[in-house]
Amino acid sequence: NAGVTQTPKFRVLKTGQSMTLLCAQDMNHEYMYWYRQDPGMGLRLIHYSVGEGTTAKGEVPDGYNVSRLKKQNFLLGLESAAPSQTSVYFCASSLSPPGPLNEQFFGPGTRLTVL
Amino acid sequence: DAKTTQPNSMESNEEEPVHLPCNHSTISGTDYIHWYRQLPSQGPEYVIHGLTSNVNNRMASLAIAEDRKSSTLILHRATLRDAAVYYCILRGGGDAGNMLTFGGGTRLMVKP
Repeated sequence: NAGVTQTPKFRVLKTGQSMTLLCAQDMNHEYMYWYRQDPGMGLRLIHYSVGEGTTAKGEVPDGYNVSRLKKQNFLLGLESAAPSQTSVYFCASSLSPPGPLNEQFFGPGTRLTVL
Repeated sequence: DAKTTQPNSMESNEEEPVHLPCNHSTISGTDYIHWYRQLPSQGPEYVIHGLTSNVNNRMASLAIAEDRKSSTLILHRATLRDAAVYYCILRGGGDAGNMLTFGGGTRLMVKP
């Protein structure tokens, strides 16, 4: 049982390049999330999904797109990377139904640098 | 959204108890109090949660004030592995209840 895994662990991009971050979970969770964490700050929600085929915007969605084609995978895309997107990206998942008791399980993070 | 206030940092000696405070004066009656922690270079992990009563689990205890405007996470015997950033988070109901809004947290340093 691997929990939540993220690929890749590190990546360096040049401004304007595109990339996709992959998140996978093997816990059969309905909900999945993408967060970013800038140095010295807490995590901020980018996008989330409440089930296969659904996505919704979080607190800081601009410059990112997401897809949830399979229940176990949640992809985060950067179409044209900018230096302001340099950050550590965390994926998380949780059970449904939604509610204050559902623990979120986090992946190990992807460190992205945009030059 | 109800906000939380935590000290930026705290220091503790190994094997001593640690009390991490959190103020949430605008908490609503349906908000649960959650604590997560983030070890260095890792994703956050769940620690404990509560609503009104004090709670204990294998990781920590959560003491909630009678008026619910503050709470304290208690680590009974701090170890070096407990050095992390601890986040106090309020979670309500509905879809919003599945969102985690992280503040700055408290950086706990544990001295050997």
